[in-house]
Amino acid sequence: GGIITQTPKFLIGQEGQKLTLKCQQNFNHDTMYWYRQDSGKGLRLIYYSITENDLQKGDLSEGYDASREKKSSFSLTVTSAQKNEMAVFLCASSIVFQNTLYFGAGTRLSVL
Amino acid sequence: QQQVRQSPQSLTVWEGETAILNCSYEDSTFDYFPWYWQFPRESPALLIAIRPVSNKKEDGRFTIFFNKREKKLSLHITDSQPGDSATYFCAASASSGSWQLIFGSGTQLTVMP
Repeated sequence: GGIITQTPKFLIGQEGQKLTLKCQQNFNHDTMYWYRQDSGKGLRLIYYSITENDLQKGDLSEGYDASREKKSSFSLTVTSAQKNEMAVFLCASSIVFQNTLYFGAGTRLSVL
Repeated sequence: QQQVRQSPQSLTVWEGETAILNCSYEDSTFDYFPWYWQFPRESPALLIAIRPVSNKKEDGRFTIFFNKREKKLSLHITDSQPGDSATYFCAASASSGSWQLIFGSGTQLTVMP
């Protein structure tokens, strides 16, 4: 077994602030993902990384940067937080593409 | 543009009934369709998945029916239990192209005792 750890669990930011979310996995999975979950809109892919030195944009990449520091870690930066933004950011990993995604517990973002 | 659509948005059934959750997609290159479920205050987890080599995948009380021609699939939950109450997400991806796993907006299922 393994676990995906996301930090922080809760993040409160100010409008215009740059915010960084971190994700660590000990599954030894190659592929990692960042999804955003808004109420009633399912999960939307922000960035993913197929292998350690890879970075791919998802459909929702505008306004975000990502970094795959090493195989086990994948961070996401909100480049400029939007006022009243509220969402849950979910990190996930899988052995290879089209395999089971394992999700972390999420980071809940609120922007004042 | 919503590539994966789910209906209904919410569904309530009585314990013991069969719940039917629907999903449709647009991209004919999609060749992998997992269903994830998410309980309140928890993260999504894989429930069952199908590849188009088959038009049916069964796992206990959960069955996926797949219609490639119509680009539709459905998840049937027989003998529904209150513990099945969750949000169910249909997802799709293609083994060629961008490799993205695209999720639908989910169906919130409530099973009444």
